[in-house]
Amino acid sequence: EVQLLESGGGLVQPGGSLRLSCAASGFTFSSSAMNWVRQAPGKGLEWVSTISGGGGDTYHADSVKGRFTISRDNSKNTLYLQMNSLRDEDTAVYYCARNGGTWYAFDIWGQGTMVTVSS
Amino acid sequence: DIQMTQSPSSLSASVGDRVTIACRASQSISIYLNWYQQKPGKAPKLLIYASSSLHSGVPSRFSGSGSVTDFTLTISSLQPEDFATYYCQQTYTTPRTFGQGTKVEIK
Repeated sequence: EVQLLESGGGLVQPGGSLRLSCAASGFTFSSSAMNWVRQAPGKGLEWVSTISGGGGDTYHADSVKGRFTISRDNSKNTLYLQMNSLRDEDTAVYYCARNGGTWYAFDIWGQGTMVTVSS
Repeated sequence: DIQMTQSPSSLSASVGDRVTIACRASQSISIYLNWYQQKPGKAPKLLIYASSSLHSGVPSRFSGSGSVTDFTLTISSLQPEDFATYYCQQTYTTPRTFGQGTKVEIK
């Protein structure tokens, strides 16, 4: 079964750091670009970051550039999001999602992990 | 950045109704337009990719159309399980922007 499972969320103080993980199974992880998408409470979806299958190309939203870093370990079938200098506005459910095919649609999503930034 | 604007933001409909949701891009995105369904407390699910291609396992009552800047998601006969929020997304370029969402509620 194709599956993505996020972990690492929690409560962190403003200015703090957190690393999210996304464990993939059921497909050839190294062949798939991967993404992070977040959703603040009661709000819509916001794309955060994308990484190519090999890990050589990364892209980040302006709202997180310089603070968040997407990475992957293909030997462990795991995607990461290192989040530094966290702000109140980073509070959200964070989803990992797979790029599916030529049109780059996000075809597989994890269940999400909640990140709360608060003092 | 490409802005995605959905209309309406919400709608009320009855089971069996035909429902149409519009999505407009601020510049040309060819057919790099996807639609997602999200229910409360759950992750989004892909419905339509490349403007009009139905994702595996999605019921045929869902359809998409459009190109360049104007796109539409249609539900031909609304079912009880279709009450949810729907998002469009462009994957023509980064950032991979989403529309603000359309909430479909029970009339």
